[in-house]
Amino acid sequence: NAGVTQTPKFRVLKTGQSMTLLCAQDMNHEYMYWYRQDPGMGLRLIHYSVGEGTTAKGEVPDGYNVSRLKKQNFLLGLESAAPSQTSVYFCASTRDFNQPQHFGDGTRLSIL
Amino acid sequence: RKEVEQDPGPFNVPEGATVAFNCTYSNSASQSFFWYRQDCRKEPKLLMSVYSSGNEDGRFTAQLNRASQYISLLIRDSKLSDSATYLCVVRGAAGNKLTFGGGTRVLVKP
Repeated sequence: NAGVTQTPKFRVLKTGQSMTLLCAQDMNHEYMYWYRQDPGMGLRLIHYSVGEGTTAKGEVPDGYNVSRLKKQNFLLGLESAAPSQTSVYFCASTRDFNQPQHFGDGTRLSIL
Repeated sequence: RKEVEQDPGPFNVPEGATVAFNCTYSNSASQSFFWYRQDCRKEPKLLMSVYSSGNEDGRFTAQLNRASQYISLLIRDSKLSDSATYLCVVRGAAGNKLTFGGGTRVLVKP
């Protein structure tokens, strides 16, 4: 039972580099979310999707882009990484918004 | 004022003792409430949903007070394995999104 899988688990980037984080879920969930977690800040919503082909901005969307071309995948892109984007990124999914969210085990991203 | 506020702790709890802590939320139209548990450097995991009538799951009891806009979590007979950060999570009236509190850290000691 894979659940929510995030790739990669760790990454170090240089300022200005780009990368894509992949989130894949095998539970046929409609809703998917990308969060970042920083010390003392709790989880903050970056972008989310309510279904294949849809995306919406969350609380802290600047500097990130997302795509949901397939229902099972939600991609988070950093076009030009900045040190302020050093964080732990979590992806989550849920069947509907009344239900709790299931989380992936996170991606630790450092930008130098 | 933050939408969801928690005492960051840590709450230092002797093994076997009871610990309780609250979470306040600012939006009176909030619809759903959850407690998640997060271990160090791990992903958040659902501990329990919080219902209007209150609910209990083993040693854990959650309560909702809509009038005062807070939810609570009580842990009885604390175990060493209960050491974690407990996240209060609230779904607002808009529906699609959850708002997370900053977490309350609990340390259970022998």
